[in-house]
Amino acid sequence: RKEVEQDPGPFNVPEGATVAFNCTYSNSASQSFFWYRQDCRKEPKLLMSVYSSGNEDGRFTAQLNRASQYISLLIRDSKLSDSATYLCVVNAKEGKLIFGQGTELSVKP
Amino acid sequence: DAGVIQSPRHEVTEMGQEVTLRCKPISGHNSLFWYRQTMMRGLELLIYFNNNVPIDDSGMPEDRFSAKMPNASFSTLKIQPSEPRDSAVYFCASSKDRRVQPQHFGDGTRLSIL
Repeated sequence: RKEVEQDPGPFNVPEGATVAFNCTYSNSASQSFFWYRQDCRKEPKLLMSVYSSGNEDGRFTAQLNRASQYISLLIRDSKLSDSATYLCVVNAKEGKLIFGQGTELSVKP
Repeated sequence: DAGVIQSPRHEVTEMGQEVTLRCKPISGHNSLFWYRQTMMRGLELLIYFNNNVPIDDSGMPEDRFSAKMPNASFSTLKIQPSEPRDSAVYFCASSKDRRVQPQHFGDGTRLSIL
């Protein structure tokens, strides 16, 4: 079993749609969780941290379920500029970050 | 604020040659990470340093790869001799506190070994 698993997609959605990405992780001792965004041929960039109580940043909402070892990212009112690959990231021991394979999102006009 | 700075941005060289990738972390960050990304394997952690000391190099694929961090503002990743299967994008990232803080990535070095 991979340490961090994501649905690779691609997710093809129209502008304005709501889209949700899911991620599961295997290490129950993980303490820090993040969503990164990576555009084609660019570096991964931090989108948002994920907190136990859930958190929101504009159109983006992240949720964490420690009991199920599950993380989600919800994007509302999707824009063309949201097209990218979204990486679920979980810390392992000693600060190593484990990256999922990423979920590709394509928002169409 | 300056982010993580990597050089070169692109490198094309023949197999057997030595390749040196360079990274300058964000000032004040005490952890530095080297990653490799390919279509097949995704983003893989090669090695990371904390306070200039290598902490975990279990991701380094083989002895042809080596990394150093002589001071808090500079690190190198060296491949000698290089092989075509080393072709990938190599990213350097840094963080302030590796346990809880996110990592910030450089633009990457696109390496092609012919």
